[in-house]
Amino acid sequence: EADIYQTPRYLVIGTGKKITLECSQTMGHDKMYWYQQDPGMELHLIHYSYGVNSTEKGDLSSESTVSRIRTEHFPLTLESARPSHTSQYLCASSDKRGGETQYFGPGTRLLVL
Amino acid sequence: AQSVSQHNHHVILSEAASLELGCNYSYGGTVNLFWYVQYPGQHLQLLLKYFSGDPLVKGIKGFEAEFIKSKFSFNLRKPSVQWSDTAEYFCAVNAVGTYKYIFGTGTRLKVLA
Repeated sequence: EADIYQTPRYLVIGTGKKITLECSQTMGHDKMYWYQQDPGMELHLIHYSYGVNSTEKGDLSSESTVSRIRTEHFPLTLESARPSHTSQYLCASSDKRGGETQYFGPGTRLLVL
Repeated sequence: AQSVSQHNHHVILSEAASLELGCNYSYGGTVNLFWYVQYPGQHLQLLLKYFSGDPLVKGIKGFEAEFIKSKFSFNLRKPSVQWSDTAEYFCAVNAVGTYKYIFGTGTRLKVLA
């Protein structure tokens, strides 16, 4: 069982609100990732981090931002939520010790009205 | 551009039937290959992975996959499925030495008791 947590699991919010999706892992992994997944579609990488104070945008353009102040914590923020942000957001982490196998959190399902 | 194709989006089988899920990728360099599974209501979790060596890899719950480099394929197999194998299965490719993990669109497997 992987020790990676995401909160909230479900969020319904109005347009224009600022939201932060939390992701924490207790495995000491240096790399962390955020993916966006729409129903029936593949996972798209939106952000990743190689370590503390290192963040990069992924292949899918996203209006969200991330920070990595501590190894175990990788929050994602939307400054002004829009209906187009409605999706599932998955957080993952990996480490060379684990052969870069990604461990996933349970996901946050976001609905923006 | 790198891509991963999963040929079957929905598969329905009876218990004890054999399973083969196709996965093809396009990338010219060295890759790590993964199959992840998501059981209803649970996290995405690793089923099996291939990094190097024997191209036939065995995973949890009796699953195996074969890497055929010449065909850019990594098909998942199980000789006899059980009702508890009902889940969504994702093939993923990681270009070695990069952050890039490319996921397929997933295959929803339903096993009838």
